[in-house]
Amino acid sequence: GAGVSQTPSNKVTEKGKYVELRCDPISGHTALYWYRQSLGQGPEFLIYFQGTGAADDSGLPNDRFFAVRPEGSVSTLKIQRTERGDSAVYLCASSSMTSTDTQYFGPGTRLTVL
Amino acid sequence: QQQVKQSPQSLIVQKGGISIINCAYENTAFDYFPWYQQFPGKGPALLIAIRPDVSEKKEGRFTISFNKSAKQFSLHIMDSQPGDSATYFCAANNQAGTALIFGKGTTLSVSS
Repeated sequence: GAGVSQTPSNKVTEKGKYVELRCDPISGHTALYWYRQSLGQGPEFLIYFQGTGAADDSGLPNDRFFAVRPEGSVSTLKIQRTERGDSAVYLCASSSMTSTDTQYFGPGTRLTVL
Repeated sequence: QQQVKQSPQSLIVQKGGISIINCAYENTAFDYFPWYQQFPGKGPALLIAIRPDVSEKKEGRFTISFNKSAKQFSLHIMDSQPGDSATYFCAANNQAGTALIFGKGTTLSVSS
């Protein structure tokens, strides 16, 4: 079956530009998570959606970061005025309502800010 | 403040040997402890997980040992194989039970 998919797989942008990263969760999964993984580090939580609403956005580093999930399925992570420090792999994960602890990760989007 | 501390940072094991990776946590509200395996260029994949009501869980060559009083848990990989060479992350759920808090990872190399 299809797992979590993320597009694009790689994104190179210039400092100050706006980027959007997309996540397609496993079909039927109501919970969706965004994490950021810097080189040599473990994933760090950014935001959690249950359905369409952001249930926990405590991990977003600042107001340049925003995420939406308008129809409760696909989610988009939006980063405004990108900075070189935003360079990382952005991972998306999803889980089902009956097994919320078990999170399935996508392959990630590698963002490089020049 | 690092809530999940993982060691060692890297590990080299001979084929057929036992790989042991350790994690310690601080928050007694954590109640779910998974281990993830990650290959270069891929997302983390769930390997095995445990809850604090049991002290050990085994799935094939992978075993989690859990010590609630010491707030520590470890991953044991028996009969380690070159295909096990990857980065391993321990994690715990946050206090709200939603997001996962990850350790910094252990890079395992199994030599043939």
